[in-house]
Amino acid sequence: DIQMTQSPSSLSASVGDRVTITCRASQGIRNDLAWYQQKPGKAPKRLIYAASSLQSGVPSRFSGSGSGTEFTLTISSLQPEDFATYYCLQHNSYPRTFGQGTKVEIK
Amino acid sequence: EVQVVESGGGLVKPGGSLRLSCAASGFTFTNAWMTWARQAPGKGLEWVGRIKSKTDGGTTEYAAAVKGRFTISSDDSKNTLYLQMNSLKTEDTAVYYCATMSHGSPDPWGPGTLVTVSS
Repeated sequence: DIQMTQSPSSLSASVGDRVTITCRASQGIRNDLAWYQQKPGKAPKRLIYAASSLQSGVPSRFSGSGSGTEFTLTISSLQPEDFATYYCLQHNSYPRTFGQGTKVEIK
Repeated sequence: EVQVVESGGGLVKPGGSLRLSCAASGFTFTNAWMTWARQAPGKGLEWVGRIKSKTDGGTTEYAAAVKGRFTISSDDSKNTLYLQMNSLKTEDTAVYYCATMSHGSPDPWGPGTLVTVSS
């Protein structure tokens, strides 16, 4: 199975900060990676697909990059509505695997 | 609008069975690959399994934790996806989500249905 190691597990940031979250795959997954945002009690919402493609309707302050084994999700200027938990998901091979999640909290 | 909505969750005893449903609308279900995932209380997301569209063979894949106990199926005439869960364990307690797939990954997801396995 491919292990997805996501870091950090949590972070505190202020509105306007630039935030970067990383996912590392235990083996190469090309660009078969998506990023999701989840707020308490809600379903996950996809932000990025194919590692760097912005989901329709998602603000442009979100961006994704990487290929192979190293991937990043960047929020260029954190907004109040961005405080949530973020997950990566690899869909290169079965079983699909999620990262452990990164909780973004208010500083 | 593409939409999926889960139902069928509830309280079940260890060793029992439950069938979840996922009603789909706003897209051509017969051509869709569908996914189930779950989230235990206070924990992260866990992929459960996937079914290809019947036009692509209708085959399934499962996570090791549920293989042999859970079965994914679909009824194209009802635009509905199912998750049959047998031999349930306390560790299967979770919110279960279904999703269609685009660009290789699940999206959008339904609101989820809670399954509690407890005596």
